[in-house]
Amino acid sequence: SAVISQKPSRDICQRGTSLTIQCQVDSQVTMMFWYRQQPGQSLTLIATANQGSEATYESGFVIDKFPISRPNLTFSTLTVSNMSPEDSSIYLCSARGLAQGTDTQYFGPGTRLTVL
Amino acid sequence: GDSVTQMEGPVTLSEEAFLTINCTYTATGYPSLFWYVQYPGEGLQLLLKATKADDKGSNKGFEATYRKETTSFHLEKGSVQVSDSAVYFCAHGGATNKLIFGTGTLLAVQP
Repeated sequence: SAVISQKPSRDICQRGTSLTIQCQVDSQVTMMFWYRQQPGQSLTLIATANQGSEATYESGFVIDKFPISRPNLTFSTLTVSNMSPEDSSIYLCSARGLAQGTDTQYFGPGTRLTVL
Repeated sequence: GDSVTQMEGPVTLSEEAFLTINCTYTATGYPSLFWYVQYPGEGLQLLLKATKADDKGSNKGFEATYRKETTSFHLEKGSVQVSDSAVYFCAHGGATNKLIFGTGTLLAVQP
């Protein structure tokens, strides 16, 4: 299975600022994803991070608010822009592996964001 | 549309009790099915999976069988431990590349 790390693990930010979250996978993967988990809730897919091209966003999420980069097959970043308290959530990176054509997604430990 | 429905929690059990967490799904085709577990303060860990009808996924004493007839993937464990206390998520995915998650079920195991 892929090992995924995220930085930072948690942060407390002021309203109106931006935070960039990094996701690093220990092996090359075909697909990377970003999810949001609001307090006490399930996971919502924000976007699919495409290597070398623009991310594919789900309904309700836009690039201006959540710009995503994926410069190579092992790394991606998610920026939460112009934050408000409603953005307080856990943000999780996941990856879908190459090995044996697996369709399994593995998740990072998450970034716990609190916006004041 | 595609969806996953799992039983609401919290589920509170005594140690060594039998656990069942129900999960049903609606999907186009026959996607892979997954159970993920989220321990307090942590990210999601894959617990088990099944890729086709009648497959049984198992791990750490947990089991779930892919039932096409009933579109279900119920999670079971014969004897739970305090350390199993966590939130359990049922999900399906596959060809769409997108995981569809249930709402999660909080399990609390008391000594």
